Amino acid sequence: GALVYQYPRRTICKSGTSMRMECQAVGFQATSVAWYRQSPQKTFELIALSTVNSAIKYEQNFTQEKFPISHPNLSFSSMTVLNAYLEDRGLYLCGARETISNERLFFGHGTKLSVL
Amino acid sequence: GEKVEQHQSTLSVREGDSAVINCTYTDTASSYFPWYKQEAGKSLHFVIDIRSNVDRKQSQRLTVLLDKKAKRFSLHITATQPEDSAIYFCAANTNTGKLTFGDGTVLTVKP
Repeated sequence: GALVYQYPRRTICKSGTSMRMECQAVGFQATSVAWYRQSPQKTFELIALSTVNSAIKYEQNFTQEKFPISHPNLSFSSMTVLNAYLEDRGLYLCGARETISNERLFFGHGTKLSVL
Repeated sequence: GEKVEQHQSTLSVREGDSAVINCTYTDTASSYFPWYKQEAGKSLHFVIDIRSNVDRKQSQRLTVLLDKKAKRFSLHITATQPEDSAIYFCAANTNTGKLTFGDGTVLTVKP
């Protein structure tokens, strides 16, 4: 079956430092990877959509300078939160799908980021 | 861009009753509508989905209805159980691959 592993599950970082999270697709080819953030008491906001061999598209309010993403192959993607502050805390999810037309997104467990 | 609205922030039902969660969307190009649930402190778990070429899909106790004219879709859960308690998120996806979520409905099934 199709699975997405995301790690770490939880992380705490000091204000102003950076942290990286990784996503591994197993059992299918992750042509397209979407990174989401769920801030406390809120819904899931799309940060960026990454398709292998295409430019990464960032949503309004999110930039490559703050959330650099790497998607080097069909099984792996990573995202870093640079200079994390209180407003960056929340649950970060990666979702992967095989193609744009095969639309179901398989989500990882998420990375819960706390900022001190 | 697409906006997905979930009209009930909370819903409480008695065990065995039915629960219905309603969503609307704005982008007529949306063609795929999944539902996910999130239990406390956990990630999103896929529940059921529907594509725009049909208006109804059933899987055991779950049914999704889609009204493209009204740009409305709904999740129906029959014979609810306490284990169904969770936050349910509807979402809509256009052919650009962008999936937009509603704000979530907290479903509580009381024994």
